[in-house]
Amino acid sequence: QKEVEQNSGPLSVPEGAIASLNCTYSDRGSQSFFWYRQYSGKSPELIMFIYSNGDKEDGRFTAQLNKASQYVSLLIRDSQPSDSATYLCAVIISNFGNEKLTFGTGTRLTIIP
Amino acid sequence: SAVISQKPSRDICQRGTSLTIQCQVDSQVTMMFWYRQQPGQSLTLIATANQGSEATYESGFVIDKFPISRPNLTFSTLTVSNMSPEDSSIYLCSAMDPSGTSTDTQYFGPGTRLTVL
Repeated sequence: QKEVEQNSGPLSVPEGAIASLNCTYSDRGSQSFFWYRQYSGKSPELIMFIYSNGDKEDGRFTAQLNKASQYVSLLIRDSQPSDSATYLCAVIISNFGNEKLTFGTGTRLTIIP
Repeated sequence: SAVISQKPSRDICQRGTSLTIQCQVDSQVTMMFWYRQQPGQSLTLIATANQGSEATYESGFVIDKFPISRPNLTFSTLTVSNMSPEDSSIYLCSAMDPSGTSTDTQYFGPGTRLTVL
C-alpha cells in the first residue's frame, strides 16, 4: 500500500462546477495534511493545510479531513480554467521517529470552459 | 510564507560532470529540504539539510552522489555528482515555514531543471 494515494486522473470538470479531489493515507498517526497545486513546468504551491477533523475553508477552497477513515479531500467551488493543474496531497508520515512530508502522485485537474 | 530562490533555473550538462544547485531563503529557517521530481512523477525527498549538522539522506540517496552544504540559516547547496542521463530531473529546494503560524508547512523554490546528455 502506498503511503499517500491519489487518483491520478485526469479529472475533467465544467467551469463553474465543484471539483472534488481525494486522498487517502496509510499512517493512522499522521496529524498534518497539505494540498499543493502545481502548474505544468512550475514548482508546487501551497493551497491549504489542515490538522483537525472536519472542514477548513479558504475562499473557493475547502479541505476536509477524516482521520478515522484516513481520508483528506479538497473541494474547489466555482471552478475556473485557471484551476487546471495537478493537485498534490501531502501528509507528514512518521517512520521510526523520523517525520517526512510524503506526497501522493497527484491528480491532474482540467476545467472545461 | 518564505520566498525561496534557486540557481540555476535550468542547465544542460554532459555525462560524468557535476552541477551545484544553490538555494536561498529570504528569512532564517531551521530546516531545508531537497527533492527530486522526475518527468510525470511526484516529489521524492533526497535529504534534509539542517544548519550545523550533516544532511540526513533518504533511502536510495547517498552523500557521495548528492553532497549537500548548509553553511547558514538562509542558504544551502545540492551537488549532483558524476551525472548520468538518469539524473535528468527537476530538483527542488524547500524550507519549513519560519513564521510559526504553521510550524511544519514547507514552501518550495522554483526548481532547477537538469538535463544530462
